Parts: sequence; C-alpha cells; structure tokens
Amino acid sequence: AQTVTQSQPEMSVQEAETVTLSCTYDTSESDYYLFWYKQPPSRQMILVIRQEAYKQQNATENRFSVNFQKAAKSFSLKISDSQLGDAAMYFCAYRRDFGNEKLTFGTGTRLTIIP
Amino acid sequence: DVKVTQSSRYLVKRTGEKVFLECVQDMDHENMFWYRQDPGLGLRLIYFSYDVKMKEKGDIPEGYSVSREKKERFSLILESASTNQTSMYLCASSLPYRGSYNSPLHFGNGTRLTVT
Repeated sequence: AQTVTQSQPEMSVQEAETVTLSCTYDTSESDYYLFWYKQPPSRQMILVIRQEAYKQQNATENRFSVNFQKAAKSFSLKISDSQLGDAAMYFCAYRRDFGNEKLTFGTGTRLTIIP
Repeated sequence: DVKVTQSSRYLVKRTGEKVFLECVQDMDHENMFWYRQDPGLGLRLIYFSYDVKMKEKGDIPEGYSVSREKKERFSLILESASTNQTSMYLCASSLPYRGSYNSPLHFGNGTRLTVT
C-alpha cells in the first residue's frame, strides 16, 4: 500500500521569507500524481499544486514550487515570499495513475506565518 | 466554480444515534468521496463512489455506510454513533480519470461531528 509521510507537524516562517515543507512517499508504481493541498482555518481544502511523475520539470504556481525527486521519492513544497494568508495546514497527497484510484494523504504540516 | 456543500458545519449527537451526513455537489461529478480528518492522522478515506448506486470501501469503512441515489448527492451514515467517531468529516468530488486527464478533488467545508 502507498504511504505518504510528512515529518514536520508544525513549521513557522517570517513573513516575506521562504519556507520548505517536506513530503516523502512510498510506492512501487512508476506512474502517479502528487499534490499539495492547503486547508486554511475556514476548513476549505484547496489544491495548491500538482506534479505528474512522468514529468521531470518541477511544477510551479506563482509563489509555490515543488522539488520532485522521483528516485528519492521526495516531493517538497517551497513557498516564496510568505504571506499571512499562507497560514494553514498543508497536506501532501499521492494518487496512482490508474483508474479512479483514491488519494492517499499525509498527516499534514501546520504552517504559521510570523508577522 | 465547483461547489461541494455539506449540510452541517457542526453536529452533536448522542452515542447510539443514527447519523446522516449529507453532501451535494453541483458540477455533475461522477466521483464522490468521504474522508475523516483527525489530528496527527491526516485524511483517511472512508468510502467513495464512482457513480450512482455504486460504492467502494476506503481505508476505514467500519462503522459507516453510504448512499448514492442521485449523482449529485452522497450521504455518509453512522448506523450507531460511537464516541470514537467524533471527528471532522470532509466530502469531496471529482471528474473521473480519463486517459491522462487528472481531475483534482474539490472539497466541502467539512462537518465537525461530536458524539457524546
């Protein structure tokens, strides 16, 4: 079974600084998708960024980028120029590239932004 | 924008009660999911459904059942609520997998259920 591990239960960063959230996963598959979801205090889960495993180029969405290391099974999220609105729980998730396979989530990292 | 609506934001029930959590989506999505969120455990899948009247067990189905009589509605049922089912419940929907297209999950705002 696939597992997703987020080893940092909590992180904090000064406003305008850069922070990296780590995620590792375990799979025997070669084709899959990886995601980062954000859950602010409003509880609405929002997709931040996704990465297809077959793509070598790291995904980027504005201030959010990933460092995808397929061989190491690592998928970290970098947030640049952190803003107060970035404060949230961040979940890493994995999905096989097959059929209607479910998402497997990590345990989450709570990010605090220090003004 | 896709809207996934969960009928209750907060719910308090007594042990042994039958509890219904309702979820409605307005984008004609085939896939619907129920997750449970607990601190330190992340999101765990309870049940999911690919289509009307279809259901599949997730990772933690014990103590739960589901109903999908209409495409837009997916109900989670706690047959006899217990205190260990106190949790946050999140509903989500998505388009089905087709070829290389991968639809992300769209979530509701969650129902925080307390069983006393």
